[in-house]
Amino acid sequence: QQQVKQSPQSLIVQKGGIPIINCAYENTAFDYFPWYQQFPGKGPALLIAIRPDVSEKKEGRFTISFNKSAKQFSLHIMDSQPGDSATYFCAASKGDSNYQLIWGAGTKLIIKP
Amino acid sequence: ETGVTQSPTHLIKTRGQQVTLRCSSQSGHNTVSWYQQALGQGPQFIFQYYREEENGRGNFPPRFSGLQFPNYSSELNVNALELDDSALYLCASSFFPSGSYNEQFFGPGTRLTVL
Repeated sequence: QQQVKQSPQSLIVQKGGIPIINCAYENTAFDYFPWYQQFPGKGPALLIAIRPDVSEKKEGRFTISFNKSAKQFSLHIMDSQPGDSATYFCAASKGDSNYQLIWGAGTKLIIKP
Repeated sequence: ETGVTQSPTHLIKTRGQQVTLRCSSQSGHNTVSWYQQALGQGPQFIFQYYREEENGRGNFPPRFSGLQFPNYSSELNVNALELDDSALYLCASSFFPSGSYNEQFFGPGTRLTVL
């Protein structure tokens, strides 16, 4: 019940395309859902986050869609660029704690020029 | 604003040895979390420190221990190293309580190799 399942494991998209990465969770107590971007040799960097009281959030070219009833959320990258090539992680945590982000397994995204 | 820093960058140890990893939290943050990231996997929560005390722990054995200092920096200690301890160890800092709920900012990590 603590798991966050992420798909696909890897994704190759042409420049300008819209990669979509999906995550699903079981624990209905989760109420914070961030996405992190990680480049090789670097720590994860917070990209965008959402809470269950909204169904969509946009920040620049990045959009999170959230479906509370299906317990799923996804990341869309508009007008993707080669510089977006990285590993993306979804995560989740519960409202009664300030810790223990539960992470998906990651998606390695390659944007072809 | 200074970001999260970690030292050393890389470390090679042998089985059975002990290791200490260090983390300086981002300016203004009072909470430090440690994660282990095996190659090709998502980070796994080890523990968190708040007000110099352990404030939550993941599924890691007691040979993983930590400290937080009055300046909010932190150490991760691992005793009796095993081959499976080889991983990237990430430190994340945050401010609690916060209106920006649970935003954790990560350092670049320490790559530990156990031979």
